[in-house]
Amino acid sequence: ETAVFQTPNYHVTQVGNEVSFNCKQTLGHDTMYWYKQDSKKLLKIMFSYNNKQLIVNETVPRRFSPQSSDKAHLNLRIKSVEPEDSAVYLCASSFGGDQDTQYFGPGTRLLVL
Amino acid sequence: GQQVQQSPASLVLQEGENAELQCNFSTSLNSMQWFYQRPGGSLVSLFYNPSGTKQSGRLTSTTVIKERRSSLHISSSQTTDSGTYLCAMERGAQGLTFGLGTRVSVFP
Repeated sequence: ETAVFQTPNYHVTQVGNEVSFNCKQTLGHDTMYWYKQDSKKLLKIMFSYNNKQLIVNETVPRRFSPQSSDKAHLNLRIKSVEPEDSAVYLCASSFGGDQDTQYFGPGTRLLVL
Repeated sequence: GQQVQQSPASLVLQEGENAELQCNFSTSLNSMQWFYQRPGGSLVSLFYNPSGTKQSGRLTSTTVIKERRSSLHISSSQTTDSGTYLCAMERGAQGLTFGLGTRVSVFP
């Protein structure tokens, strides 16, 4: 049963364009996350966010930024895409704190030409 | 180096065979989670397992947190078990740190 929703499923764009991916969770969770899965299939955390704190992985380029309107939504904006941004972007949510299950959305596949 | 080491990298099974997947962590952790990733990419949570043994159908997860390891046992494998199995460690608000996964292929 899907409870973390992502749009679009797939996006193709050109270098330098701005893109925005949407994520919504209906689980009542307090914390949301964005992960990137590269061509080698390694999943890496990009951001975690609740209404109190944004934690940014230090390896994430500044052109990436999370945007949240409320605790059920966390969008991902890429200001000027680069070829190496081609990947699958996965959104997740949890109740936060220590020891809690994360639930993932289906992912958004980005291809930068 | 990788903080989460998974082995084997890939596994080929004939339907009905059992399999054991291993996950080792190089640092201390609060808990860990096992996921199944479908060929299309979506992640399904299999177990949230901070310690001990948990079972769900033909899957069993055993975590020994002090030894920084966890295993996933698949019994009587089926072709529908084919996919990638990922383990991840949880260290609070920093999110999950994933291994590279074990790719399982089950043939009839």
